[in-house]
Amino acid sequence: ILNVEQSPQSLHVQEGDSTNFTCSFPSSNFYALHWYRWETAKSPEALFVMTLNGDEKKKGRISATLNTKEGYSYLYIKGSQPEDSATYLCANMEYGNKLVFGAGTILRVKS
Amino acid sequence: EAGVAQSPRYKIIEKRQSVAFWCNPISGHATLYWYQQILGQGPKLLIQFQNNGVVDDSQLPKDRFSAERLKGVDSTLKIQPAKLEDSAVYLCASSHWGQGTDTQYFGPGTRLTVL
Repeated sequence: ILNVEQSPQSLHVQEGDSTNFTCSFPSSNFYALHWYRWETAKSPEALFVMTLNGDEKKKGRISATLNTKEGYSYLYIKGSQPEDSATYLCANMEYGNKLVFGAGTILRVKS
Repeated sequence: EAGVAQSPRYKIIEKRQSVAFWCNPISGHATLYWYQQILGQGPKLLIQFQNNGVVDDSQLPKDRFSAERLKGVDSTLKIQPAKLEDSAVYLCASSHWGQGTDTQYFGPGTRLTVL
């Protein structure tokens, strides 16, 4: 994998469903993996910064895991709410100072 | 703590016109970034400043784009002349040092439409 790739591109779920997204990145030049949430008309908000293989982070109903050997990270949302509707971006920090973003996963939660 | 401020929020111009965007980073942040986010793609770094010096401008189309960060605080990004493909959201971000696991804090962006 040469670029940062995210899947799925978009996701529609019902309120209360749990969901997860994938971020794949080049494991050869990994330094840190960043997750952001970007709501329409607002600023992208930092969720997690992950560095260690096997790392798990949690913030409320959102959690993330990291596998640096195989080059992927999962983001999980438990019990999705309408306010979780946003674009979720991941970014690979290369060489310690440059963020390379994926195209994002658009999540829409229906009430 | 005030966040990253950007203006204007929206701008519509004709092709070949000029446009400028302004960014005020979080107080005390040494590093400032400008990103371009085209619809359907992730944000792409255009230029990174450390204080008032340029760290990385490898993806800045220098024939039409310019940026400056006077006195190491506010920054402006200019496009002259604009092309249709410049239609995008322009995001400004800042961080403490620009190294390692330093978090980047983003402004709300300027949505540019070139007609």
